[in-house]
Amino acid sequence: QKEVEQDPGPLSVPEGAIVSLNCTYSNSAFQYFMWYRQYSRKGPELLMYTYSSGNKEDGRFTAQVDKSSKYISLFIRDSQPSDSATYLCAIKFNNDMRFGAGTRLTVKP
Amino acid sequence: GAGVSQSPSNKVTEKGKDVELRCDPISGHTALYWYRQSLGQGLEFLIYFQGNSAPDKSGLPSDRFSAERTGGSVSTLTIQRTQQEDSAVYLCASSLGTGDGNIQYFGAGTRLSVL
Repeated sequence: QKEVEQDPGPLSVPEGAIVSLNCTYSNSAFQYFMWYRQYSRKGPELLMYTYSSGNKEDGRFTAQVDKSSKYISLFIRDSQPSDSATYLCAIKFNNDMRFGAGTRLTVKP
Repeated sequence: GAGVSQSPSNKVTEKGKDVELRCDPISGHTALYWYRQSLGQGLEFLIYFQGNSAPDKSGLPSDRFSAERTGGSVSTLTIQRTQQEDSAVYLCASSLGTGDGNIQYFGAGTRLSVL
């Protein structure tokens, strides 16, 4: 079993839709949670990070962590074509960082 | 200043040749990481450097892979006797330090193709 499981998609939605991206992890030692966005032929860029269970909101993006279920989510409201990218979840404990395989998202105008 | 810089952006090589990939981290960042990203796969950790400490080489897939970091700044990842399965995007990241709160910032990567 991988440390982090993420559905690779691809996921295609119409502009304006609410997008839900999810990951599960197996080791409760990981305490820091991140979402990275990666455009084609670019490096991953940090989108959101959180430490605690619950929701963290930043504009159209909401990161949700449920430590009891070892489940993390990223919600994108009012999705735009510019949101089309691969989204990678990541979990971290000290220097140990693990990434999901990434979900490829396409938002169609 | 500028972000993490990697060169070359693309590298095509023949099987059996050696390649060197370069990473210039964000100024002041003491930690530097190398990852490999294959199609449809997550980022695979290769090696990380923290200050003057011995590097963590636990992710290097074979002894054909090595990396060094000179003067605590620029790093070079070397792959000897390249194989076709080495074809991937090699990403470098840097962070201010280590520990939970230190975020890694990535370069654009080097796309390596081994023919």
